[in-house]
Amino acid sequence: VIWMTQSPSLLSASTGDRVTISCRMSQGISSYLAWYQQKPGKAPELLIYAASTLQSGVPSRFSGSGSGTDFTLTISCLQSEDFATYYCQQYYSFPRTFGQGTKVEIK
Amino acid sequence: EVQLVESGGGLVKPGGSLRLSCAASGFTFSSYSMNWVRQAPGKGLEWVSSISSSSSYIYYADSVKGRFTISRDNAKNSLYLQMNSLRAEDTAVYYCARDDLVATMTDYWGQGTLVTVSS
Repeated sequence: VIWMTQSPSLLSASTGDRVTISCRMSQGISSYLAWYQQKPGKAPELLIYAASTLQSGVPSRFSGSGSGTDFTLTISCLQSEDFATYYCQQYYSFPRTFGQGTKVEIK
Repeated sequence: EVQLVESGGGLVKPGGSLRLSCAASGFTFSSYSMNWVRQAPGKGLEWVSSISSSSSYIYYADSVKGRFTISRDNAKNSLYLQMNSLRAEDTAVYYCARDDLVATMTDYWGQGTLVTVSS
């Protein structure tokens, strides 16, 4: 099993801020990492896959980086619609695992 | 437009059974691997099970192995999850989700169906 440590669990920020979320794996997964955004009462939506590839239709203020065991999601200029919970997921091997989630809230 | 619509959730007693369904449309269902992912109230996402396009490969989380069975009917564009011996900790919203054909990440999700296990 590949264990994932996502941090922070809660991030307080203001509109316009640059925010960074980290995801660390217990073993290397190459670039088989995805990031999802979830808003209350809604299904998750894919933001980034292959660690750094932006899903079609996702704003360019979202970016991903990393490979192996350490990965980062960055939102360059936080917008009001970005206040949500973010999850990383590895799809390198089964069982697939998710990070614990990072809630981005308004400061 | 890709659409995934789950159904079959509801209230069931501990030890009981339930069968979830997911109706797929807007893509060639028979070509794609599919998944079930769940989310307990107020908690994070938990991968439950995956099935390959032809049902040749099936995987389960340890938490449901031996109790849940994933299956699909490509002629009906449908995915299923048979859940037996249900426990209180199985209470969650269950999402049906599709894997991308090439990049293999999960790219589309249904709206979810709530399963509540309680006496």
